[in-house]
Amino acid sequence: QSVLTQPPSVSGAPGQRVTISCTGSNSNIGTGYDVHWYQQLPGTAPKLLIYDNTNRPSGVPERFSGSRSGTSASLAITGLQAEDEADYYCQSYDSSPSAHVVFGGGTKLTVL
Amino acid sequence: QVQPQQWGAGLLKPSETLSLTCAVYGGSFSGYYWSWIRQPPGKGLEWIGEINHSGSINYNPSLKSRVTMSVDSSKSQFSLKVTSVTAADTAVYYCARGRGRENIFDIWGQGTTVTVSS
Repeated sequence: QSVLTQPPSVSGAPGQRVTISCTGSNSNIGTGYDVHWYQQLPGTAPKLLIYDNTNRPSGVPERFSGSRSGTSASLAITGLQAEDEADYYCQSYDSSPSAHVVFGGGTKLTVL
Repeated sequence: QVQPQQWGAGLLKPSETLSLTCAVYGGSFSGYYWSWIRQPPGKGLEWIGEINHSGSINYNPSLKSRVTMSVDSSKSQFSLKVTSVTAADTAVYYCARGRGRENIFDIWGQGTTVTVSS
C-alpha cells in the first residue's frame, strides 16, 4: 500500500479535462514537502511532467498543470489527447521513520 | 546530454544477490544524488535508495536491511546490491538522477528487468 494515495484509474474523452489526485498526510505533503508528477508510457521509463508542485519542465505542454494544498496535490490535464493515455505517478518525501522518497500507487489514464 | 546506461544480471534464483550498475555519460556526475527505483510487473514505483559522488547514502527504510549501494566516481558509476532475493524482488530496476532538495527525478536510465525464479 502506497504512502501517497491515487485513484487507480481515470478516463476522459478527447478535448476534455481530467484531474488526478494524490492524497498524503502530515508526515509527507502536509509537512510542506513538494510534489512531483511523472508520466509513464507503456514499456518506457517514467518522464518528469511537473516538479515542485506547479512547474513544467521545458517541452511539457501547458495542458498539464499541478497544484498542492494541505495534505494533497492534483494533476490536471486539459484538452485531452490520445497520446496522453499513460500511467501517472505523484512523488514526494515522507519523514517517518526517516526522510525518504515516496511515490503514489499510480493512475491509469484512459482516453475514450 | 546526460545519459545513464545500466546493466546487470537479469535472471536470479531465490536467495541470490542482485547486482546492477549504472554509468553516467555526457554530463556532470557530482552535484547530484543518484537513485535506484524499481517497478514490479503491473505495479507502481518504489524508491530503493540514493548515493552521491562522495558516497553519502540514504536508503528506503523498508529495504535497508538487504540493500547496499556504492559509487566509483572516477568512472561516474554507481551500483546496487540486494541480498537474499525472492520473487517479490522481480521488477524493472531504474537508475535515475535526482536534483533539488527533494529529488526531482529528471533523467532516467532505460531500465533493467530482473526476474527471480527457481
